[in-house]
Amino acid sequence: GAVVSQHPSWVICKSGTSVKIECRSLDFQATTMFWYRQFPKQSLMLMATSNEGSKATYEQGVEKDKFLINHASLTLSTLTVTSAHPEDSSFYICSATVVDNYGYTFGSGTRLTVV
Amino acid sequence: AQTVTQSQPEMSVQEAETVTLSCTYDTSESDYYLFWYKQPPSRQMILVIRQEAYKQQNATENRFSVNFQKAAKSFSLKISDSQLGDAAMYFCAKNTGNQFYFGTGTSLTVIP
Repeated sequence: GAVVSQHPSWVICKSGTSVKIECRSLDFQATTMFWYRQFPKQSLMLMATSNEGSKATYEQGVEKDKFLINHASLTLSTLTVTSAHPEDSSFYICSATVVDNYGYTFGSGTRLTVV
Repeated sequence: AQTVTQSQPEMSVQEAETVTLSCTYDTSESDYYLFWYKQPPSRQMILVIRQEAYKQQNATENRFSVNFQKAAKSFSLKISDSQLGDAAMYFCAKNTGNQFYFGTGTSLTVIP
């Protein structure tokens, strides 16, 4: 079945630095990928929709200059958290739409801790 | 407004028994998809079951089945013969086009 690989699975960074999270579709092409943020014991909050070859669409309230999304190929989308602060610490999950719309396939998530 | 509501933050079930998780949603579309996802402690989102809104027949996947009431905008998940491995967060979700909406989740505990 369709697999989405997300890397790294966890990362600790210092406040003020930037962190890049990768999301790859391994056996299918994903023209659209999605980035979610999940706080402990809460639901997934859509941050942005990543479109191959074009600019990402950000949800209201999400800072596009802070959360940079690049979708340069049909199999790779990246989320860069720039100038990270402790309040950016969270669980980030990517997903991609499988062609037959059989739901989304999710990456395994990245736990970001900013110290 | 597109909302998905799960009114049960926590549920518990005895092993081998049956449990039903509730979900209601709001939509103005006639064509959409509904899903139940499971998120175990590993936090990997796993698709449990899906339902196309245009299909009247309730979807079934082994021990998992849904009760889809389109007019009532209700989409409950029934887990039969509950197993310890079913313990997880369960999220109800609705999909229209590329937009996905998640409920707030139900934490399921399975009691041995």
